[in-house]
Amino acid sequence: QVQLVESGGGVVQPGRSLRLSCAVSGFTFDNYGMDWVRQAPGKGLEWVAVISYDGSNKYYADSVKGRFTISRDNSKNTLYLQMNSLRVEDTAVYYCARDRYNYGQFDYWGQGTLVTVSS
Amino acid sequence: DIQMTQSPSSLSASVGDRVTITCQASQAISNYLNWYQQKPGQAPNLLIYGASNLETGVPSRFSGSGSGTDFTFTINSLQPEDIATYYCQQYANLPPLTFGGGTKVEIK
Repeated sequence: QVQLVESGGGVVQPGRSLRLSCAVSGFTFDNYGMDWVRQAPGKGLEWVAVISYDGSNKYYADSVKGRFTISRDNSKNTLYLQMNSLRVEDTAVYYCARDRYNYGQFDYWGQGTLVTVSS
Repeated sequence: DIQMTQSPSSLSASVGDRVTITCQASQAISNYLNWYQQKPGQAPNLLIYGASNLETGVPSRFSGSGSGTDFTFTINSLQPEDIATYYCQQYANLPPLTFGGGTKVEIK
């Protein structure tokens, strides 16, 4: 069965960095684009970034552009989100999601990993 | 950016009621519109894609309609397990992919 498991969340000070990982199984990873979507505590969903199946195309929300980098290692079936210059407003649960459309249909999601940015 | 305006932000209905949620896009998006259900403490779950297509395994009491800028999501005969927050999301144009603000559905 399809599984997506995020890891790497935690508490970090403003201005510091963190890298999230999303390990997938149960499907052919390099056939699909992948996204990161976040949800601040008690708030709605915010799309963060998408990467194409082969890593050649990447798109970002304005709120993270220049600070976050999405990447993937198809040999390890793993998606990443490198988050630099973190801000308090980046505090959220971060979900990885499989994108079965180019782009924008999130048909499988991970359970999420909480990132807390606080001094 | 395409803005998605969802209404109402919350509603309370009785078991068996018909529930309707609307989503309006700030510009025409054809039928590039999805609906997700998010139960407390869980990840979202795709219910409807392409505005009106029911995802495999989703009960038929859920439905979607609309095209262009105005969309509707309906739950026919609300069930206790439908208590959740529902989100619309456009995928006509990126970046960014955008979600509506959500509708929290509660049982009266």
